[in-house]
Amino acid sequence: GAGVSQTPSNKVTEKGKYVELRCDPISGHTALYWYRQSLGQGPEFLIYFQGTGAADDSGLPNDRFFAVRPEGSVSTLKIQRTQQEDSAVYLCASSLVSWVRSHYNEQFFGPGTRLTVL
Amino acid sequence: EDQVTQSPEALRLQEGESSSLNCSYTVSGLRGLFWYRQDPGKGPEFLFTLYSAGEEKEKERLKATLTKKESFLHITAPKPEDSATYLCAVRSSGGYQKVTFGIGTKLQVIP
Repeated sequence: GAGVSQTPSNKVTEKGKYVELRCDPISGHTALYWYRQSLGQGPEFLIYFQGTGAADDSGLPNDRFFAVRPEGSVSTLKIQRTQQEDSAVYLCASSLVSWVRSHYNEQFFGPGTRLTVL
Repeated sequence: EDQVTQSPEALRLQEGESSSLNCSYTVSGLRGLFWYRQDPGKGPEFLFTLYSAGEEKEKERLKATLTKKESFLHITAPKPEDSATYLCAVRSSGGYQKVTFGIGTKLQVIP
């Protein structure tokens, strides 16, 4: 079936503007993750959803960042009052969830949205 | 706080020249160590999960191994299509589903 999709693929905005980034996970995947990847760095965890609720938002850098997943499928990452340091590739991933804590279900990543704040 | 250190940052190999990539980690209770491959402009692609010291996984020319402090990704007789950035990541007992990534090793295989 289809993989994880993200839109837009590229977003250029001006400092201080509001942006929304969308993620469509793989059908049936209840877990959804957002990461941020700066040039030359590995992905940095932002937030994890299990169903509709944010189970772990400890990676959100500040209160300008917010994410929702109202129906347990599509998720939107929202960034208010964008700053130049927000420029990065925002990656979304989804997975099945095992309730066995010793088991990890692989995360499938989308292609990312490249955000540039001028 | 979970930490992942990968070395080298970049590696250039001749086609057929085997080598290993290193991932050193510090976690409080390892609940999985993962290797991903990332091509330019794309999201990471899952390769392996390792859970306990001594465990090994293989896929084509790649073999991942795990000790209590580090993991190695061995590449045997690499081909140009193996060129990519290889990312290591860990999940700890305190992090639930949260995964911490290293910065990756950028591998270039020259024909």
